[in-house]
Amino acid sequence: QKEVEQNSGPLSVPEGAIASLNCTYSDRGSQSFFWYRQYSGKSPELIMFIYSNGDKEDGRFTAQLNKASQYVSLLIRDSQPSDSATYLCAVPGMSYQKVTFGTGTKLQVIP
Amino acid sequence: SQTIHQWPATLVQPVGSPLSLECTVEGTSNPNLYWYRQAAGRGLQLLFYSVGIGQISSEVPQNLSASRPQDRQFILSSKKLLLSDSGFYLCAWSDTGNIQYFGAGTRLSVL
Repeated sequence: QKEVEQNSGPLSVPEGAIASLNCTYSDRGSQSFFWYRQYSGKSPELIMFIYSNGDKEDGRFTAQLNKASQYVSLLIRDSQPSDSATYLCAVPGMSYQKVTFGTGTKLQVIP
Repeated sequence: SQTIHQWPATLVQPVGSPLSLECTVEGTSNPNLYWYRQAAGRGLQLLFYSVGIGQISSEVPQNLSASRPQDRQFILSSKKLLLSDSGFYLCAWSDTGNIQYFGAGTRLSVL
């Protein structure tokens, strides 16, 4: 089992809809979780991080964490074509210096 | 504020030639530094990380090496490039909070 798993997609949603991106992780000791957005040909940029169970909202983005089920989700409300990108889930390991990245989910927002 | 510089942006090299990619960070002291490679359509592969000057940890044994001659400088090198070294090379830094911030990346094509 991979340490961090994501569906590679592509996930296609119409403009204005809610996009739901999911990530599962294997290390029950993980305490923090990050979501990065990577546009084609560009480097990843951090968009959200979450440490506690429950929801964290930032503008149109909501991160949801369920430690018991070992998954973390990213919801994008009112999706825009500019949200079309690959979204990477990242989970720090026991060694705090290292972070394991998922392979990413490609999101396509259709105008 | 902190910034990370990575150059060159694009590089085309013949097989067997040497490589030197440089990354510098400004606005922070004693950062953790990372080199990743991302093959086309694939996830991030951690190559090296460093927690201090002269301290390099290698994740993937191969013909690449890394050095950290100064606190905020990280260099990725190779004596002889292989075709399989082609990819998108990303430098990143983090502080004790685990969040990694990426440079703009170098797209390397080995022909």
